[in-house]
Amino acid sequence: KNEVEQSPQNLTAQEGEFITINCSYSVGISALHWLQQHPGGGIVSLFMLSSGKKKHGRLIATINIQEKHSSLHITASHPRDSAVYICAAGRYSGGYQKVTFGTGTKLQVIP
Amino acid sequence: DTAVSQTPKYLVTQMGNDKSIKCEQNLGHDTMYWYKQDSKKFLKIMFSYNNKELIINETVPNRFSPKSPDKAHLNLHINSLELGDSAVYFCASSPQSTSGPTNEQFFGPGTRLTVL
Repeated sequence: KNEVEQSPQNLTAQEGEFITINCSYSVGISALHWLQQHPGGGIVSLFMLSSGKKKHGRLIATINIQEKHSSLHITASHPRDSAVYICAAGRYSGGYQKVTFGTGTKLQVIP
Repeated sequence: DTAVSQTPKYLVTQMGNDKSIKCEQNLGHDTMYWYKQDSKKFLKIMFSYNNKELIINETVPNRFSPKSPDKAHLNLHINSLELGDSAVYFCASSPQSTSGPTNEQFFGPGTRLTVL
């Protein structure tokens, strides 16, 4: 079993819908990262959070440390949001930071 | 202006060959990483270097040898390429920290390796 699990694996939504992607992790973390991988392959960091909630434009990320769970929400989804969203657990190993990735959620937003 | 760059972007080669992928970052970060992304899009860490020193080696076959000539460069050399090495390889960098929240990572554009 992967240390970081995401659901759903695939998600198709109509433009304008509210989207939620879930991430559960089984390891102790110092931060939870959300990444976006565009259809062209590039990976960008969306959020890094260790508690509470963060918002950037139409994207909101939340984390519940006690439940070891994080969610990524997209409000008013748009076709340009179509991408793979990856959750990753950041922690320290041997004194150095290490990131373990989830399996990704492929999102397609249809006009 | 590119933060993390990789070359080449595409690499097609025959089984048994030796190849290298280069990575450079101009962000002044101390730590660099190599990740492998398989056909199912799953990213897995291979190596991590901090200030030219190997700090993470995740049970990668010894046909893979990373080399860091300075903290801005981390190259990946692969000997005797096998079909299973076909994947996208991403380089990344981040500032170093030893406590507190782990830092954001900045990724290169990836190198798609195809072994025939």
